[in-house]
Amino acid sequence: LAKTTQPISMDSYEGQEVNITCSHNNIATNDYITWYQQFPSQGPRFIIQGYKTKVTNEVASLFIPADRKSSTLSLPRVSLSDTAVYYCLVGPPSGYNKLIFGAGTRLAVHP
Amino acid sequence: NAGVTQTPKFRVLKTGQSMTLLCAQDMNHEYMYWYRQDPGMGLRLIHYSVGEGTTAKGEVPDGYNVSRLKKQNFLLGLESAAPSQTSVYFCASSPLGEVEDTQYFGPGTRLTVL
Repeated sequence: LAKTTQPISMDSYEGQEVNITCSHNNIATNDYITWYQQFPSQGPRFIIQGYKTKVTNEVASLFIPADRKSSTLSLPRVSLSDTAVYYCLVGPPSGYNKLIFGAGTRLAVHP
Repeated sequence: NAGVTQTPKFRVLKTGQSMTLLCAQDMNHEYMYWYRQDPGMGLRLIHYSVGEGTTAKGEVPDGYNVSRLKKQNFLLGLESAAPSQTSVYFCASSPLGEVEDTQYFGPGTRLTVL
């Protein structure tokens, strides 16, 4: 399974756009990139998933360059409620049930 | 739809005691998972199940056993609890186990072993 590297922590202010980058140099051809969000004392929650180029939903955007060795989660206009840990996961379809959660990126949004 | 529920929410055990954590999902999902999360760390997969009556080992299975007698329930057992098993335990389920199907997590069970 491809190993991922993310910043340990980030700080931002309300209303700003936040970009969290994840490196996955050993990503395989059939690997997908998935991001989860975890609030304190809660289980992780799915945010977005992609394979290549750009994916956007009501919560975030995911940018994946052509070489797919990294990806960037973009959160537009963050609020205090976006303070959470964000996990980048990479895995193949057949190995989805063996997803590996790294330490994630702890995002703190300040007033 | 309750989603994924876990029982109990909190538990304190003494070393050597046994207990069972219950996970229930009402979404008719095929796949279910048990993870543990230690302070400041990500989740680590303990065991998982790809369907009723089947289970498989994950990343850190030692000291745990599981059973999936009914599709909607996935039980995690600790036969002889150790302080190293102090952790927050999360259960999750997913509809097919394919990468495009997301995992839905329960609220967690905080276990302390003294």
